[in-house]
Amino acid sequence: NAGVTQTPKFRVLKTGQSMTLLCAQDMNHEYMYWYRQDPGMGLRLIHYSVGEGTTAKGEVPDGYNVSRLKKQNFLLGLESAAPSQTSVYFCASSYRSGRGYEQYFGPGTRLTVT
Amino acid sequence: AQKITQTQPGMFVQEKEAVTLDCTYDTSDQSYGLFWYKQPSSGEMIFLIYQGSYDEQNATEGRYSLNFQKARKSANLVISASQLGDSAMYFCAMREAEIFGNEKLTFGTGTRLTIIP
Repeated sequence: NAGVTQTPKFRVLKTGQSMTLLCAQDMNHEYMYWYRQDPGMGLRLIHYSVGEGTTAKGEVPDGYNVSRLKKQNFLLGLESAAPSQTSVYFCASSYRSGRGYEQYFGPGTRLTVT
Repeated sequence: AQKITQTQPGMFVQEKEAVTLDCTYDTSDQSYGLFWYKQPSSGEMIFLIYQGSYDEQNATEGRYSLNFQKARKSANLVISASQLGDSAMYFCAMREAEIFGNEKLTFGTGTRLTIIP
């Protein structure tokens, strides 16, 4: 099993450009999440999904959109990239709600917006 | 107000010694869960240990244990017999209201642990 994979691993964008980050999981997990990690701030939830076809906003959703057309994939889109979106992006998934079901994380995508 | 507070930005510990990483939390929910994750320099997030608010005993996973003091709202991670491979960032996280459909984690800012040979 590959677990949670993210594509691409690195990307440099110019201000105003758009891009999509792909997250895939092969564990048949219902829940998927997108976080961003900035220096000194820990991880912050951008958007999440509790099942195929459903998405919800997290703590810092502005400037991002997501889609969950297939259970195994969760896409994060930046329509018009800004330097403030320079960050490391992590995707995660979990089996279901309830006690003890930890989230499994992908390796991260380092995005730089110039 | 911060929901998860990790007051130690960095710690240096001699190899083979035990180390305690502090975590305090703030919630008005009665049902919640606390997690610790490790992030080595390679960047991935690795789950270490979980404690539910109704668990009567402190969680343990190998060399990791969680010192859960509910009245003080603290959930400190204890690593026994530290190893060089324990050098990493450690994040405390909380999931409030352990009800169906709520899987949102709130993370602390992390503690960078360095093990000295």
